[in-house]
Amino acid sequence: AQSVSQHNHHVILSEAASLELGCNYSYGGTVNLFWYVQYPGQHLQLLLKYFSGDPLVKGIKGFEAEFIKSKFSFNLRKPSVQWSDTAEYFCAVIDSGGYQKVTFGTGTKLQVIP
Amino acid sequence: DTAVSQTPKYLVTQMGNDKSIKCEQNLGHDTMYWYKQDSKKFLKIMFSYNNKELIINETVPNRFSPKSPDKAHLNLHINSLELGDSAVYFCASSQRSGGANTEAFFGQGTRLTVV
Repeated sequence: AQSVSQHNHHVILSEAASLELGCNYSYGGTVNLFWYVQYPGQHLQLLLKYFSGDPLVKGIKGFEAEFIKSKFSFNLRKPSVQWSDTAEYFCAVIDSGGYQKVTFGTGTKLQVIP
Repeated sequence: DTAVSQTPKYLVTQMGNDKSIKCEQNLGHDTMYWYKQDSKKFLKIMFSYNNKELIINETVPNRFSPKSPDKAHLNLHINSLELGDSAVYFCASSQRSGGANTEAFFGQGTRLTVV
């Protein structure tokens, strides 16, 4: 069964600091990888996605993520965070060859201090 | 146009009641899902339907019964509501036959509060 681990549960940063959130997955087959953001009281929004090709993917709001197949990792990065980035961030995988179930990590709460 | 829409957005009800949450997608997808987000923000799949057939049924109490009248709709009916059912429920859809590049699209969620 596939699983997703997010090791940072709560991250507090000052504005303009750089961000890196870790994500590791466990699955033997082909996966598609995603990062979602959930602002307080809001629904899930897709930040970026990886299907194949260039392992460095760029998303909305200045976010990017790098897929490292050998490490089963898909870490999210942003060079300079803003107060408006305060939200919950979820890494997710879809087993593209199976039932295509979306499996989420436990989420990382990011708090940006002005 | 909203791709995946859920109604209602908020639902407050008493213990023991029966309630339904509706979901519709206009993306032409063949697969739909229900997810539950608990108070700790953990997102867990409950059900998945492909072409109106149940393909994923995680460990969910049988008080929860999904119904898919057609490919574009997946409703969730909950009997005898309990306090622990309070959560945000997300509907999603994807195109399973789309091959390797599969992406799920999520609705805006239904915040269920059982009092």
